[in-house]
Amino acid sequence: TQLLEQSPQFLSIQEGENLTVYCNSSSVFSSLQWYRQEPGEGPVLLVTVVTGGEVKKLKRLTFQFGDARKDSSLHITAAQPGDTGLYLCAGDRGSTLGRLYFGRGTQLTVWP
Amino acid sequence: DVKVTQSSRYLVKRTGEKVFLECVQDMDHENMFWYRQDPGLGLRLIYFSYDVKMKEKGDIPEGYSVSREKKERFSLILESASTNQTSMYLCASSLIPGLAGTEQFFGPGTRLTVL
Repeated sequence: TQLLEQSPQFLSIQEGENLTVYCNSSSVFSSLQWYRQEPGEGPVLLVTVVTGGEVKKLKRLTFQFGDARKDSSLHITAAQPGDTGLYLCAGDRGSTLGRLYFGRGTQLTVWP
Repeated sequence: DVKVTQSSRYLVKRTGEKVFLECVQDMDHENMFWYRQDPGLGLRLIYFSYDVKMKEKGDIPEGYSVSREKKERFSLILESASTNQTSMYLCASSLIPGLAGTEQFFGPGTRLTVL
C-alpha cells in the first residue's frame, strides 16, 4: 500500500510550458520533502515544507503543503530542458528514526 | 559536503550467489537506509538502521539482511540472489530528525543484475 500517491507518473512537455505535480495521502505528515533524481544519480533534496499551508519558492519551482498536511504540490513555471528528471515526494510521519515514505515519482521530460 | 558512497555502480551476479552491497557515509549520521528502485514502483524501503548493530525492517525485507558494525558503514546482503532482485539499490543516510524533519542523503546507486 502506497502511503503517498503521486501524479502524474509521466509528463512530457515543451520548453516554456507550466506543469504541476501532485502528492496526496489520507495520512497526516509532520513534513513533506521533494527530491529530484537525475539518471545515474541518487535523489537530491529540493525543499522541505513543514507548516500546513506553507508555500516555498525555489526560482521557477513553487512548492505547497496542504492546510491539513496530507498533500503537497510542485508547480514549475516556464519549464526548461534542465528541469528534466524524476521528481519524488517523501513524507515524514514524525518518527525519531528518520523514516520517509516516498511516492512513486513523476518522470518529467522537457523538450527544447 | 555529505558524501555517501556505494561500493559498486554496476554488479552482475548469478542466481544463488551471496551478494554484498556496501555503503559508507562520512558525516557521522545516525540513520542509514537501503532502498530498491524499480520503474513505476518508486523507492521501496528494504531495511534501515538507527544505530550501530540496530536495524528495522522496511516494507520489503524478504530475501535481504543487513549489517551495521560501524556507524559509518551499512551493508545489504542478498543471502541467495534471485532474478527478481535485479534492481537499482540506493543507500541513504540522515541525522536524527528535528522539528523540520531530516534530509536523506543518497549514494549514486548500485545497479544489480542477477542472471
